[in-house]
Amino acid sequence: GAGVSQSPRYKVAKRGQDVALRCDPISGHVSLFWYQQALGQGPEFLTYFQNEAQLDKSGLPSDRFFAERPEGSVSTLKIQRTQQEDSAVYLCASSQSGQGARGELFFGEGSRLTVL
Amino acid sequence: GESVGLHLPTLSVQEGDNSIINCAYSNSASDYFIWYKQESGKGPQFIIDIRSNMDKRQGQRVTVLLNKTVKHLSLQIAATQPGDSAVYFCAENISNRDDKIIFGKGTRLHILP
Repeated sequence: GAGVSQSPRYKVAKRGQDVALRCDPISGHVSLFWYQQALGQGPEFLTYFQNEAQLDKSGLPSDRFFAERPEGSVSTLKIQRTQQEDSAVYLCASSQSGQGARGELFFGEGSRLTVL
Repeated sequence: GESVGLHLPTLSVQEGDNSIINCAYSNSASDYFIWYKQESGKGPQFIIDIRSNMDKRQGQRVTVLLNKTVKHLSLQIAATQPGDSAVYFCAENISNRDDKIIFGKGTRLHILP
């Protein structure tokens, strides 16, 4: 596609529900990042993939968060047993470069998660 | 620790004037810096980057200045336009350590008519 596509754009979940957020990166992009952005804050790093390999997951806030990119293209961020503090915009970004953050990152529009 | 912060959370500039957005970073090991623009409801958009072996880099209507001595980064936008209204983030990366970009809190830029 022309850009990074994320779905759903908006998700409302009841506390305790599981959610899955999808990211379609730009075709051929090697690196894929997930960020969490709370209201009025800058994006916070969650995890990073190079192709299908998850090279860094140091930003995942708890073991309720899980990300995968099994074929090195589409990625899914799963949050189990959602809590109110999980409410945020989840941003996905991809880069053509295999140098991680050192290539230009292209961000999707994000998935806004609201946990009631 | 690793942190990227900004001096001013909100900046208002008259249309046509130049604007300067400032950023301080604390990690002297950071060697790659990026400015992003984020409009409401959208993801951040890359504006310009600079590596630590440079102190200035220019793009179209934008200039980034890096002062490693005082660990300060700035973004200058010339002849501001209404479309420049957005939140601007500076971000940093540390080479040979990891691939993640660390974002600051952001500055909201208002362009006044």
